[in-house]
Amino acid sequence: IQLTQSPSFLSASVGDRVTITCRASQGIKIYLAWYQQKPGKAPKLLISAASTLQSGVPSRFSGGGSGTEFSLTISSLQPEDFATYYCQQLNSFPYTFGQGTKLEI
Amino acid sequence: EVQLVESGGGLVQPGRSLRLSCAASGFTFGHYAMHWVRQAPGKGLEWVSGISWSTDNIGYADSVKGRFTISRDNAKNSLYLQMNSLRTEDTALYYCARGYCSTTSCEFDYWGQGTLVTVSS
Repeated sequence: IQLTQSPSFLSASVGDRVTITCRASQGIKIYLAWYQQKPGKAPKLLISAASTLQSGVPSRFSGGGSGTEFSLTISSLQPEDFATYYCQQLNSFPYTFGQGTKLEI
Repeated sequence: EVQLVESGGGLVQPGRSLRLSCAASGFTFGHYAMHWVRQAPGKGLEWVSGISWSTDNIGYADSVKGRFTISRDNAKNSLYLQMNSLRTEDTALYYCARGYCSTTSCEFDYWGQGTLVTVSS
């Protein structure tokens, strides 16, 4: 199953609302997770089951979608949100990641 | 506190082998699936392999199938990745990650800090 994220790069400002999309090559129900990765750090789980926010993750993050179309939205960008974001399908092996979206100031 | 600590990385020549380990603590290791994910320098994340808690479900990325073998020792709270016939394109930071699945979702909820594998002559 291929995952296509868009855009690959996103330039935004503090306070902006941004949306990243993730398209699966076949239906994966809601077996989709979103991760945030900062330089030199391991990925951090943000959202599971397409829309379930992990404990401790700010409510400005939200996820949606099912089947083949998914989205990650950050409602009001904060300085600490500038990072790279990945979607991942966990419907079936081999699990796959999207190519990533680098969110830059 | 959940901790995953990878080890075993290093510089290795093409065609040689290397064995990675991941030491787990802070949770009941034998109750969770475990995975290896890698990241080549400046590139994105690539799932490498995963193993269920009981070892009855194992998967590999096509890029490593037939060359890498994942295993675990629940008594030692450890995950392993035996990497044979290494190629330069296997150069990456290798992460160990805990997999959690419910009836409606799966995710990798904890990650180690990674161990660097460099394949070069």
